[in-house]
Amino acid sequence: DAKTTQPPSMDCAEGRAANLPCNHSTISGNEYVYWYRQIHSQGPQYIIHGLKNNETNEMASLIITEDRKSSTLILPHATLRDTAVYYCIVRVDNAGNMLTFGGGTRLMVKP
Amino acid sequence: ETGVTQTPRHLVMGMTNKKSLKCEQHLGHNAMYWYKQSAKKPLELMFVYNFKEQTENNSVPSRFSPECPNSSHLFLHLHTLQPEDSALYLCASSQEQGQAYSPLHFGNGTRLTVT
Repeated sequence: DAKTTQPPSMDCAEGRAANLPCNHSTISGNEYVYWYRQIHSQGPQYIIHGLKNNETNEMASLIITEDRKSSTLILPHATLRDTAVYYCIVRVDNAGNMLTFGGGTRLMVKP
Repeated sequence: ETGVTQTPRHLVMGMTNKKSLKCEQHLGHNAMYWYKQSAKKPLELMFVYNFKEQTENNSVPSRFSPECPNSSHLFLHLHTLQPEDSALYLCASSQEQGQAYSPLHFGNGTRLTVT
């Protein structure tokens, strides 16, 4: 699996957009980008995924650069409940189920 | 409710004990996983089962023994553990059909303390 790099921590003001970057410069053409988050004392929660195109769902938006070497997860209006560790990982389709989680970004949403 | 239930939520065991962690998924998925999350370390994949067959064993010590009797249940049998095995053990499931995407659904984990 390709390796990802994320900043260890970020702050965001409540109500503002949180933009979480991820570098995956060794990503292969058939590898998808997935985002998960983990709130304290809970298991990771799936947020969104994408291959080439930008994606949006009820939780977030995912912007993937044209060269696919980086992506940004956008929480449009961050709330205190969005405080969590956010993981960006890549996965090959039809793969043997290997998902490697890195250190993630600890997002702190402040009032 | 994530659709993946793990029991117990907390477990304290001595190094000579034998215990088992249980995971049940109600999502109709065909793949199940065990992950270990130690304090201040990334999640580590331990075992993967696809269609009840173990397809991955990520160099896990033999004191951890997985069992997958059917596609809805997964166990992790523990014996003669060490204090450094204290961690949050997470179970996950997904639907593997060779599709382009298959997000993992995690349970809330079992917090294990080895004394």
